[in-house]
Amino acid sequence: QKEVEQNSGPLSVPEGAIASLNCTYSDRVSQSFFWYRQYSGKSPELIMSIYSNGDKEDGRFTAQLNKASQYVSLLIRDSQPSDSATYLCAVNIAGGGADGLTFGKGTHLIIQP
Amino acid sequence: DTAVSQTPKYLVTQMGNDKSIKCEQNLGHDTMYWYKQDSKKFLKIMFSYNNKELIINETVPNRFSPKSPDKAHLNLHINSLELGDSAVYFCASSQIDSYNEQFFGPGTRLTVL
Repeated sequence: QKEVEQNSGPLSVPEGAIASLNCTYSDRVSQSFFWYRQYSGKSPELIMSIYSNGDKEDGRFTAQLNKASQYVSLLIRDSQPSDSATYLCAVNIAGGGADGLTFGKGTHLIIQP
Repeated sequence: DTAVSQTPKYLVTQMGNDKSIKCEQNLGHDTMYWYKQDSKKFLKIMFSYNNKELIINETVPNRFSPKSPDKAHLNLHINSLELGDSAVYFCASSQIDSYNEQFFGPGTRLTVL
């Protein structure tokens, strides 16, 4: 059974610091990995995708993937109060195809001004 | 605006009724999905359609019937609504050859009384 695990939090980080969010997954054949941000009452918004081992940077966001350890992380640099949200880790088995994503339960991040 | 849209945004109804939710995407994607997010915020795939063809049908009661008239539209009809159907239903879309990056609609909050 495919599982994606995240610490539900809340994770409280001071403004300007680095927020580190972690995710593990159970299915070794997983190929695509995503981070979504969801504000309360809103829909999930794709902020990062990563497919190969290593780091991928986009602005203040860095996604890290380690397939051997089945581990994905998201770093948010210079955290802002507007980053306060629930961050959902999602995994896809195939590299493409019409597969549904398997989501973790999300980490609630609070950035303290 | 290029986006995934859903109607209605809110749906309040009595147990036993039948209701439909509509979804449209103008992103030019060929695959569309329905997800359910329960009261604990857990997001789970229900169905996926590729070019109007059903690809995934997770363990969902057969009271739920998706229908895709064309690849830009995916509707969800629910018969004999039950209290446990109360949730937020999200439509999403992706392009099958793009590592399955999925983009979500604004959601439909269904409340069954």
